[in-house]
Amino acid sequence: AAGVIQSPRHLIKEKRETATLKCYPIPRHDTVYWYQQGPGQDPQFLISFYEKMQSDKGSIPDRFSAQQFSDYHSELNMSSLELGDSALYFCASSGGTGRYEQYFGPGTRLTVT
Amino acid sequence: AQTVTQSQPEMSVQEAETVTLSCTYDTSESDYYLFWYKQPPSRQMILVIRQEAYKQQNATENRFSVNFQKAAKSFSLKISDSQLGDAAMYFCAYRSFNTDKLIFGTGTRLQVFP
Repeated sequence: AAGVIQSPRHLIKEKRETATLKCYPIPRHDTVYWYQQGPGQDPQFLISFYEKMQSDKGSIPDRFSAQQFSDYHSELNMSSLELGDSALYFCASSGGTGRYEQYFGPGTRLTVT
Repeated sequence: AQTVTQSQPEMSVQEAETVTLSCTYDTSESDYYLFWYKQPPSRQMILVIRQEAYKQQNATENRFSVNFQKAAKSFSLKISDSQLGDAAMYFCAYRSFNTDKLIFGTGTRLQVFP
């Protein structure tokens, strides 16, 4: 079965640079979620989109923005990167009868140097 | 605000044996969902099992089952016939009925010994 696709899988950036993470949900899923998982921590919810509209917002820094496009893929844009932004960023998707179940992608490991 | 607590940072089990991972949560809501996710060394988050709060029957998925005690706000995961591939970090997660975010516990690292 098709899963959530995230790209890139690894990303290395320097402080103050920008980064764009992409997420392609499972086919026919209309909702995407973004989570940040720091080293040794549990995932923290950032933001979610349903039918291209922001549906919920968590602890997302103002330096980050995200959107969902007409093909349901989503992008997380991160500017003025800080060392503390180094983390694993997950995208998850849901839809259909299992709307409340979130299926996670493999994650993008961001390292800020 | 809702919170999820996993009081066992680490657990170990012998292959083919049974192990139970604990999870408690705090909420004032009556409708919500509970999940267990598995995170192996690859760091992929894999949905193991889910439970709707309005269902009294405990969820079961093959070797994985839960003991859902709504009044006690407890949601433990039982893994039967443990396999080496079960070794991973296990996260308990809560989702309100009307919000999107999953609230995770701090995780329990499960080791499986041959």
